[in-house]
Amino acid sequence: KQEVTQIPAALSVPEGENLVLNCSFTDSAIYNLQWFRQDPGKGLTSLLLIQSSQREQTSGRLNASLDKSSGRSTLYIAASQPGDSATYLCAVFNAGKSTFGDGTTLTVKP
Amino acid sequence: GAVVSQHPSRVICKSGTSVKIECRSLDFQATTMFWYRQFPKQSLMLMATSNEGSKATYEQGVEKDKFLINHASLTLSTLTVTSAHPEDSSFYICSAILRDISLGYTFGSGTRLTVV
Repeated sequence: KQEVTQIPAALSVPEGENLVLNCSFTDSAIYNLQWFRQDPGKGLTSLLLIQSSQREQTSGRLNASLDKSSGRSTLYIAASQPGDSATYLCAVFNAGKSTFGDGTTLTVKP
Repeated sequence: GAVVSQHPSRVICKSGTSVKIECRSLDFQATTMFWYRQFPKQSLMLMATSNEGSKATYEQGVEKDKFLINHASLTLSTLTVTSAHPEDSSFYICSAILRDISLGYTFGSGTRLTVV
């Protein structure tokens, strides 16, 4: 059974800092990994999608890496802004379904 | 980009009544949609996989008769919570695969269900 763990559970940083969110999974036979953002009471917004054959994806200030063999992914956020405050979820897809981590709640203080 | 519209965003109902939640793919055909449930400060739990024209596949522990899923067209899947009770109060979210899984998922905006 696939298990996804995200560390830390919560993170508070001052505006402008670079930060890294971690995601680990137990079954490395994944098809892809996706990072999402969720604002309180809202649905999910896809940030980055990494195929199993890829090692990283970049979008603006976001960079996600994938090391499938070790079962790890990181989401790097550069020059954080208060608007980045949200919960960040990673999800891996394998065996016909997706498994989500519990998320990291990020607070960026002005 | 691909959009999944979920309706209603919030609903309050009395215990014992049924509530229907709709999930529509607006600009693409979704042969497969997924329904999730999310408790406060917890992650998403997959409830069922909805396949157009066939019966939904439910995850272990999810009551089929309580959470009725219908995927009658390529753009619409519905989740009906039957005989709702306060413990069914939760945040329900649907998602769809963009043509194929290599393109990832797109999610609806979620429905906050409160059963009083």
